[in-house]
Parts: sequence; C-alpha cells; structure tokens
Amino acid sequence: DTEVTQTPKHLVMGMTNKKSLKCEQHMGHRAMYWYKQKAKKPPELMFVYSYEKLSINESVPSRFSPECPNSSLLNLHLHALQPEDSALYLCASSALGQGYNEQFFGPGTRLTVL
Amino acid sequence: GDSVTQMEGPVTLSEEAFLTINCTYTATGYPSLFWYVQYPGEGLQLLLKATKADDKGSNKGFEATYRKETTSFHLEKGSVQVSDSAVYFCALSDPGGTASKLTFGTGTRLQVTL
Repeated sequence: DTEVTQTPKHLVMGMTNKKSLKCEQHMGHRAMYWYKQKAKKPPELMFVYSYEKLSINESVPSRFSPECPNSSLLNLHLHALQPEDSALYLCASSALGQGYNEQFFGPGTRLTVL
Repeated sequence: GDSVTQMEGPVTLSEEAFLTINCTYTATGYPSLFWYVQYPGEGLQLLLKATKADDKGSNKGFEATYRKETTSFHLEKGSVQVSDSAVYFCALSDPGGTASKLTFGTGTRLQVTL
C-alpha cells in the first residue's frame, strides 16, 4: 500500500462548529505532516509529527489542534475557524533516515468555512 | 533561509512540444530536490527526485538534473501530452534523517493544447 488517504474529501462548517480531518497511511512511515494550500499557491507547512510526537509547529493558531494517535493516523481538530481558513488541507508522510525524505501526499480535504 | 524560485506561468504548449520549466534554489548544505505535480482538484504527486549533485531524476518521460554549480533543477520533457496539463512545483528539503519541511517554489501551471 503506497498511498495516503484523507477523509472527508470535502467539508463545509460554520465558525462555531467543531470538526476533524483524518489522515491514514500504511507505508510504515514515521513522519507525518499537515499542510494548508490556498488557491494558486504552494502548500504551507502547519505541523510535523516524528515518531508520533509533535516536532514542528509553524506558529499555527490554536483553533487548529493536531493529534497523532498512532504511527498510521494523523488527525487535525478544527474549532472556531474563520472564513480565511477555507483552503485545501493536505496530509503527507515520509520515512525517516538519510536519503528517504520524499514526502507522499494524500488527495486533500477541501474545507469551506462559512 | 532556504528558497526555491520557479519560472512564472502559465506555460502554454502544443501537444508534442518540448517542455522546460526552470527552477533554481538557495540552500545551505546539500539539499534533496524534488518535482511534484498537482492535477486539478487533487493532491500533490511526487514526480521525481535527486539527492546529490549530478543526479538525474526521471519518471514518465520527465527528467531533471541536480546542478550544484548553477543551483538549478530544471524540469524537461521531450514531448508533452494534453494529460500533462497540471501545476508543477519544484521543492527542496534537508537531506538528513529527521522529518523536515519541504520548501516549495510558487508553482508553474502548464497548459497543453491539441
């Protein structure tokens, strides 16, 4: 299995809602990533988990809360989002070790905040 | 800090034309270099990679050579198809064994017409 899956594919939520995005991989990768991508822009890194521990937080607002329950799963919990948070949210994973740093991306969750 | 510069798009070509998308980078040390492709409405797919100077990455008819002397990693294809229409991102990352961010270029949109 060489893919990263993400659910849901689309999500519409109000500013007072709480929702979660899910990401799963079965490639045995021990690093997992969340990126945010606005239209016509490159992805921007949000969080990195390494061996299930948060290793990088790119100063993301606390209304985004990541969680890595095990080595195959990555969640992004959303609460009190703003309309400007509407974007494509991409999950990625990679192996750890010299020369194994390519990241494999999922198809993304397209989020709309009303 | 690290940065990647890509040629501005969109690039419009006729089918079977030769493609070059320029990419140059600024980084300390010896980064790994990547080309990712994003088809409309999808996530990013790894197209090819190179991890050291003079390495040539290749996949699906696309090629790019890691040129340390010119800090470049230009993407080429000898004969493009309509199905190659997509956005192409050049990226770099730390080659070490730890999880690290991908630094992306701004992306180049390719449109191939019949």
